[in-house]
Amino acid sequence: AIRMTQSPSSLSASTGDRVTITCRASQSIASYLAWYQQKPGKAPKLLMYAASTLQSGVPSRFSGSGSGTDFTLTINCLQSEDFATYFCQQYYSYPRTFGQGTKVDIK
Amino acid sequence: EVQLVESGGGLVQPGGSLRLSCAASGFTFSNYWMSWVRQVPGKGLEWVANIKEDGSEKYYVDSVKGRFTISRENAQNSLYLQMNGLRGEDTAVYYCARVESGDYGYWGQGTLVTVSS
Repeated sequence: AIRMTQSPSSLSASTGDRVTITCRASQSIASYLAWYQQKPGKAPKLLMYAASTLQSGVPSRFSGSGSGTDFTLTINCLQSEDFATYFCQQYYSYPRTFGQGTKVDIK
Repeated sequence: EVQLVESGGGLVQPGGSLRLSCAASGFTFSNYWMSWVRQVPGKGLEWVANIKEDGSEKYYVDSVKGRFTISRENAQNSLYLQMNGLRGEDTAVYYCARVESGDYGYWGQGTLVTVSS
């Protein structure tokens, strides 16, 4: 199975900050990578697919990059509603696998 | 509006069985692969199973192979997960999700399965 490793596991940031979360795959997954945002008690919400394509309705302050094994999710000008946990997921092969998550909380 | 509504969760003893259902609406269900994803409360996400549009292909995570069965009834816009031989480590919130190009664009609200004596 392809292992997805996110870093950091958690971070503290302030409103207006730029935040970067990385996701590394244990083998190449081309661009078959998605990013999700999850708030407590809620289902995950798709932010990005194909590594860098913004899901419809997601604010443009979110951006994604990378291919192969190394990927990045960037949130520009962090807003209060962005404090949440973020997960990456590969869909290059079965079993589908997720990163362990990165919790973004208020500094 | 796309809606996915899970049901069927609850408390079950180890070794027991449970059948989860997911009612889909707001889209042509028979045109999409569907999936079950689970999450231990407060922990990460784990993909459980995928099923093709017509049910002809199914994929499972190793930890549930031989115990869980994913199925669908397109005429009723419904997805199912039959879970047998349940273990404590199966305790989780189970989400059904619509597969887009491999990612999951729509999720249900989840149903909690607790395996405990």
